[in-house]
Amino acid sequence: GNSVTQMEGPVTLSEEAFLTINCTYTATGYPSLFWYVQYPGEGLQLLLKATKADDKGSNKGFEATYRKETTSFHLEKGSVQVSDSAVYFCALKDQAGTALIFGKGTTLSVSS
Amino acid sequence: EAGVTQFPSHSVIEKGQTVTLRCDPISGHDNLYWYRRVMGKEIKFLLHFVKESKQDESGMPNNRFLAERTGGTYSTLKVQPAELEDSGVYFCASSQLGVSGANVLTFGAGSRLTVL
Repeated sequence: GNSVTQMEGPVTLSEEAFLTINCTYTATGYPSLFWYVQYPGEGLQLLLKATKADDKGSNKGFEATYRKETTSFHLEKGSVQVSDSAVYFCALKDQAGTALIFGKGTTLSVSS
Repeated sequence: EAGVTQFPSHSVIEKGQTVTLRCDPISGHDNLYWYRRVMGKEIKFLLHFVKESKQDESGMPNNRFLAERTGGTYSTLKVQPAELEDSGVYFCASSQLGVSGANVLTFGAGSRLTVL
């Protein structure tokens, strides 16, 4: 079945460091891919998405490229801030289903 | 507009007791979803309402879980009797009818359930 695997956390970085959170997926067909973020005490928020191969999603300085050849959707940011500290979830939605399939989440902690 | 509201934010109960979680979706959102995250694991889909009807309940773990959405407004998720493995965070999300793309799902902050 469909699944999402993302790197184990926690990830601890200093402010202005480069961030990569790896995400790979297993799915039939051509799923849509997403990154969600959960800041402390808040709900899940859509961070970015990509709906077809080679699409790049971007938002708030974060980017992820839909790579079908490697079935990956790694999240990157060139310079993290303390305010980026949160839990990040990679997710997919296949063409037929209505439900999102999430990874386990990666906790990011950024210190000044 | 108000977002998706869930309560309680945290509930601690003994094994065997009953707990009811509530979700108030955004007004006018006919799609309502329940998800659950068990500690350290994936967020998993539980079920999907369209108005008051259960569209997909394939993710409900067993018959100790009962979800309702009478009148097609708020929804409740009751766990009876609760077991230790039911501990986790229960998320609710809503979206407008006819819009199934995940980009318009609005999530609540979640209800944390701890079963002792």
